[in-house]
Parts: sequence; C-alpha cells; structure tokens
Amino acid sequence: QVQLQQSGPGLVKPSQILSLTCAISGDSISNSAAWNWIRQSPSRGLEWLGRTYYRSKWYHDYAIFVKSRITINPDTSKNQLSLHLNSVTPEDTAVYYCARALGIAVAPFDFWGQGTLVTVSS
Amino acid sequence: SYELTQPPSVSVSPGQTASITCSGDKLGDKYACWYQQKPGQSPVLVIYQDTKRPSGIPERFSGSNSANTATLTISGTQAMDEAVYYCQAWDSSTAVFGGGTKLTVL
Repeated sequence: QVQLQQSGPGLVKPSQILSLTCAISGDSISNSAAWNWIRQSPSRGLEWLGRTYYRSKWYHDYAIFVKSRITINPDTSKNQLSLHLNSVTPEDTAVYYCARALGIAVAPFDFWGQGTLVTVSS
Repeated sequence: SYELTQPPSVSVSPGQTASITCSGDKLGDKYACWYQQKPGQSPVLVIYQDTKRPSGIPERFSGSNSANTATLTISGTQAMDEAVYYCQAWDSSTAVFGGGTKLTVL
C-alpha cells in the first residue's frame, strides 16, 4: 500500500519560501508514476501545481500560474519529493497535498498525502 | 485555460440515485475522473478513465462521459456518501479540477 507522508512548516511569512516534503513508502519515486503537488483553498478550490517523473531522466511540469515561482525536486536517496514556492503572498494560503498519478498522460491521482495547511502571514 | 464546471450542490434521498455533472469543452474527448472528499480528509479517487472504479470503491458508484459532459452516478445513495465530489481531467499536460459539488443525503 502506497503511503505519502507530508511534513513542513504551517506558517510562512510573506515574500519568503514555502517548503514542503513528501516521503513515499510502498513505491519508488523513480518508478513509472508521476509525483504531484496540489493545493486547496476555499476561494480557488483544488489547484494542480506541478509534477515530477522519471523517464530515463527527470522531467517537470508546472502550472502556468506558478511556473515562475515553483520548484519540485525528487530525492531518490530518501525516496521523497519536495515543493518550494517562493515569493509567497497571503493568496498562497492553502492546504497542500502531494499525490501520486500512475502515469503521465491521463492518469488519475490514486494516492494522496494527508495534507498540510500552510498559512502565509506576518 | 481549460475549465470544468460543476453544480455547487445536489440533494438526494437515501436509497435514491444521485447524478453529478461536470461540463467542459469537448470533455468527452478526454478521460474524466472523480474524487470524493469528506470534511477534514484528503480526496479519494472513486472513478477514473470515465467509467472505472478503483479497488475498494462500491459498485454503486459509476461514471460516464460523452460530448461535453461527464456524469458521476451514485445508485442507492447512502448517508456515508455525503461529501464533496470533484471531477478532474488533463488538458495540455495540466490537471484541471472542477469546482466541486456538495452532495447532501437527506
């Protein structure tokens, strides 16, 4: 059974960097799945932020609206992925999820992390 | 950008059939999937590739997708099915979610 365990601070100051980690068990980050970050807020609902996946080398796709601020990195030694979102504003306040998709093209998100509420406030 | 539209709420009596729609331009040409989310919990996949149920999802959950509309149908709705349901599809390597539909079982 795949499990995704998220960790990271729940409070970030405006203009700083939001950083979260997702530890994977029951699967390898280098296998055929794609590893995603998704966030949810009352005002904007569920928003896909981006993904990373391995196909002989690492690839990344990012949502257009955060592309200039986001980095998703795999850590194969720890079998985890990270999310870094810089220059945050209060509008980045949301519950952040990591999620697995079994494939690239049209795969659904079949396993989700427990979610991390991140509040952007001074 | 691609958009998926869902009704904000649907009500159903216990034991009856609930239908939740998701509309998008030529959505039938894409694969739609559905997630169930209960308060304080992460979303759970209930339908993928339009009609398929993951292991462990009851048979009363079914899906269809044609033209511009995907539909999630819950037959013999139970109180435990009360939740928010989200549709999702992929467009140009970007995952898109609908706004969610609150299903009330009363």
